[in-house]
Amino acid sequence: GAVVSQHPSWVICKSGTSVKIECRSLDFQATTMFWYRQFPKQSLMLMATSNEGSKATYEQGVEKDKFLINHASLTLSTLTVTSAHPEDSSFYICSAKRGARTDTQYFGPGTRLTVL
Amino acid sequence: AQSVTQLGSHVSVSEGALVLLRCNYSSSVPPYLFWYVQYPNQGLQLLLKYTSAATLVKGINGFEAEFKKSETSFHLTKPSAHMSDAAEYFCAVSPSSNTGKLIFGQGTTLQVKP
Repeated sequence: GAVVSQHPSWVICKSGTSVKIECRSLDFQATTMFWYRQFPKQSLMLMATSNEGSKATYEQGVEKDKFLINHASLTLSTLTVTSAHPEDSSFYICSAKRGARTDTQYFGPGTRLTVL
Repeated sequence: AQSVTQLGSHVSVSEGALVLLRCNYSSSVPPYLFWYVQYPNQGLQLLLKYTSAATLVKGINGFEAEFKKSETSFHLTKPSAHMSDAAEYFCAVSPSSNTGKLIFGQGTTLQVKP
């Protein structure tokens, strides 16, 4: 149990276009989902916290107008990278918490974004 | 502010040897500490966590970690490495269990040689 999927697993797009990444909790309801970014050989950096039915909370330095997060249901959160540029190329990872009382996050396999 | 430092981006051991992956943390409040493992092309999987109960925490796959407040450390160990342990390991600290925010170390790649 506690499986989180991401789609797509990799995507290549042209500079200036927008890309949507989906994060789904397959066998549980996730009241809270998190979006991370990982550069090669570096750590995961938290971008934002997404709560179902409310606006996402962004970490300092993360542009909320560039990285649009929607958590419309208890099993789906989406991250849209708007007007993508080469510097947005990275590995994007989501995670989900099963309930508010747990401190365990379940991670998706990640999405590799390459912006040409 | 919380932070995590993993000493050694790459650790190589022989099969059957002791595995020791180092993690030091900085926290102004009692921390929650985690170790995650990431196998190729898979999501991070929780190995174990410390949440202010027993200082020696046992996890899955024979791993354990000891919380040492005096040394601000949470090193991960396994007595005997197996080839299947080869993966990327991340130490993480949470400033609060309610928010669920995790601050990760830079990761350590474990190589197991036959």
